[in-house]
Amino acid sequence: GAVVSQHPSWVICKSGTSVKIECRSLDFQATTMFWYRQFPKQSLMLMATSNEGSKATYEQGVEKDKFLINHASLTLSTLTVTSAHPEDSSFYICSASGENEQFFGPGTRLTVL
Amino acid sequence: GQQLNQSPQSMFIQEGEDVSMNCTSSSIFNTWLWYKQDPGEGPVLLIALYKAGELTSNGRLTAQFGITRKDSFLNISASIPSDVGIYFCAGQGAGGGYQKVTFGTGTKLQVIP
Repeated sequence: GAVVSQHPSWVICKSGTSVKIECRSLDFQATTMFWYRQFPKQSLMLMATSNEGSKATYEQGVEKDKFLINHASLTLSTLTVTSAHPEDSSFYICSASGENEQFFGPGTRLTVL
Repeated sequence: GQQLNQSPQSMFIQEGEDVSMNCTSSSIFNTWLWYKQDPGEGPVLLIALYKAGELTSNGRLTAQFGITRKDSFLNISASIPSDVGIYFCAGQGAGGGYQKVTFGTGTKLQVIP
C-alpha cells in the first residue's frame, strides 16, 4: 500500500512554544489529507480536513487559530500547534487520501511540559 | 454527531481461540472499515466493506457490513499472540478515500499464550 510519513515521530516542548508536524505522502499525490488527535486510551478524533491549495475545514470544537494547517503541495501537509500547553499533549496522526482508501501515518507523540 | 460504539471494550483470550467484536452506529455509513492499532503507531487497515450485507475475509479475519448499514462485526479465528492490539471499527460516507473516517471507541485485545 501507499506510504505516509510523519515528522517528527515524537517531540517534547515547553509550554507556550509552537510545534510543527509534517505529513508526507511518499509515493502518491494526495489532494486531501486529514489530521486526527488521539488521547491516551481513547479513539482517534478528527481535527480537520486539509485540501491542497485551500483552507482547511475544522471539526466543531477545534480552534483553527491554535492548530494551523497548511497543505501547500500534493505531498505535504503541516500541522502547527501554536502556543502549546500541557493539555495539547497527545498523539497526532495524519492520513492521506487515495481514491478508495485513506493511508495513515505512523503518528507524532507531542508532550508539552 | 456520529457515534460508533464498539463492544466489548476489552477482552482477554487464550491463544487459539476465536474472537468476535461488534460495532454499532447512530448513523448510516456507505463504507465500514476495520483497523488495528499497535502501541505508538498509526492504524492499519484490515478489512473494508462497501455494500450492505457484504461478508469479507482477509486470512483469519472475517467482517460483515450490516444490512441496516448501521453495524458491523469482526471475527478473528485461531488467535495468535501478534493479534494483540486495539481494533477500531470506522465508518465513511460516500466519496471513497476523500471522505473523513469516523472511528469507533475501540476494542483492546490481549492474547494469552
